[in-house]
Amino acid sequence: GDSVTQMEGPVTLSEEAFLTINCTYTATGYPSLFWYVQYPGEGLQLLLKATKADDKGSNKGFEATYRKETTSFHLEKGSVQVSDSAVYFCALYSGAGSYQLTFGKGTKLSVIP
Amino acid sequence: DTGVSQDPRHKITKRGQNVTFRCDPISEHNRLYWYRQTLGQGPEFLTYFQNEAQLEKSRLLSDRFSAERPKGSFSTLEIQRTEQGDSAMYLCASSFGTGNLGEKLFFGSGTQLSVL
Repeated sequence: GDSVTQMEGPVTLSEEAFLTINCTYTATGYPSLFWYVQYPGEGLQLLLKATKADDKGSNKGFEATYRKETTSFHLEKGSVQVSDSAVYFCALYSGAGSYQLTFGKGTKLSVIP
Repeated sequence: DTGVSQDPRHKITKRGQNVTFRCDPISEHNRLYWYRQTLGQGPEFLTYFQNEAQLEKSRLLSDRFSAERPKGSFSTLEIQRTEQGDSAMYLCASSFGTGNLGEKLFFGSGTQLSVL
C-alpha cells in the first residue's frame, strides 16, 4: 500500500538557517505529492504541491521537487523565520478511484531567534 | 470564507458511551472528509463524502463508527460504545472538486476525544 516516510523530529533551528525536511514515499502509479503545515492551534493548511515528476512546488519561500527516481519530495527553505515554527506533513494521493491522502507522521520545526 | 468548523473542540467521555461530532464545511464545497490523528502520527483517512453520498470508507473504520452528511451540507461522525483506543483528534476537511483529488483540502481544527 501507499506510505510516506518523513525524517524524525523535532528539528530546532536558529532564525535564518537553511531547512531541509526529508520525505520519501511508496505508491502505485504516479502520485501527487503535498506538503501540509499545521501551526499551533490551527488546522492543517496546504503549503505546496506537485503533481508530476520533476515538478517543483513553491510557496512562502518553501520549495519541494518531485523526484520520481528517488521517490522523494524533500521540503527546503533557504532562511527560516520564527513564524515558520509548526508541524510539517508530507502527503501523497495515488488516485485509482480513492479519495484519501496518505500522510507521513509529521516533523515538528522550532525556530529560535 | 469562514473556514471549516468542528464542534465540540474537546470531548471527554467514559468507555462505552456514544459520542457524536459535527463538521460544518465551507459552504460551496462538495467534498467532505474525516480523518483521525493520534499523538505523534499523521492524519489517517476515515471516510469521504461527495455531496450527500458516502463514497469511500477506510478499512480502519469499524462498525462502531458511522458518518452522515444529510443534504450535502454539514456532517456528523458518531462513535458507539467508545473504547480507550478511540482517543484521538478527529479532523474534518472539505474541498471543491471533480474527478481525481488534486485540489487543496481545507481542514478544521479538530475535535479532541478522550475516552476514560
